[in-house]
Amino acid sequence: QKEVEQNSGPLSVPEGAIASLNCTYSDRVSQSFFWYRQYSGKSPELIMSIYSNGDKEDGRFTAQLNKASQYVSLLIRDSQPSDSATYLCAVNMGNAGNMLTFGGGTRLMVKP
Amino acid sequence: GAVVSQHPSWVICKSGTSVKIECRSLDFQATTMFWYRQFPKQSLMLMATSNEGSKATYEQGVEKDKFLINHASLTLSTLTVTSAHPEDSSFYICSAARAGPTDTQYFGPGTRLTVL
Repeated sequence: QKEVEQNSGPLSVPEGAIASLNCTYSDRVSQSFFWYRQYSGKSPELIMSIYSNGDKEDGRFTAQLNKASQYVSLLIRDSQPSDSATYLCAVNMGNAGNMLTFGGGTRLMVKP
Repeated sequence: GAVVSQHPSWVICKSGTSVKIECRSLDFQATTMFWYRQFPKQSLMLMATSNEGSKATYEQGVEKDKFLINHASLTLSTLTVTSAHPEDSSFYICSAARAGPTDTQYFGPGTRLTVL
């Protein structure tokens, strides 16, 4: 069983819609959660971090964390074609030294 | 900001040669830096974790004698691919974590290595 799981997609949404990306993790002691965006051929860039249960909003992005269900999600409102990328969920599973465990990523396609 | 640079951005070398890749945190001190490898259409694979002033910790299956990592300062880590072979061709990406309680990793732009 993978430690951080994501649906590989592709997830296809029309421009202007809400894209919902989901991630589950296996380690209950995990405390820190991150969403990264990776365009094809580029390195990942940080979108958001979340540490507490509930929602955290930043512009068009909202991260949601439910530690009881071991579930973290990313909502993208008013999706744009430029949002088309692979979204990586990353979790600090209580390892020493800030090591993150990455999911396999979900490919998002926003169609004009 | 939290900017991480890598140099070179791409390199082509002949089989058997060694290649050094530099990773720098430009505007913060990074006690820990990470080296990843990513093959086309695959996810990131952590190769090693490097802490300033100490030996790197390598993930299972990664040859430490082939992938030499040096973390000489709080802003610089280097990865040397020794005796490179075509199967080492990949996208190598470093990340850096700030000193302090936060565990956010900031990624460099990556280095694309092609071994002929």
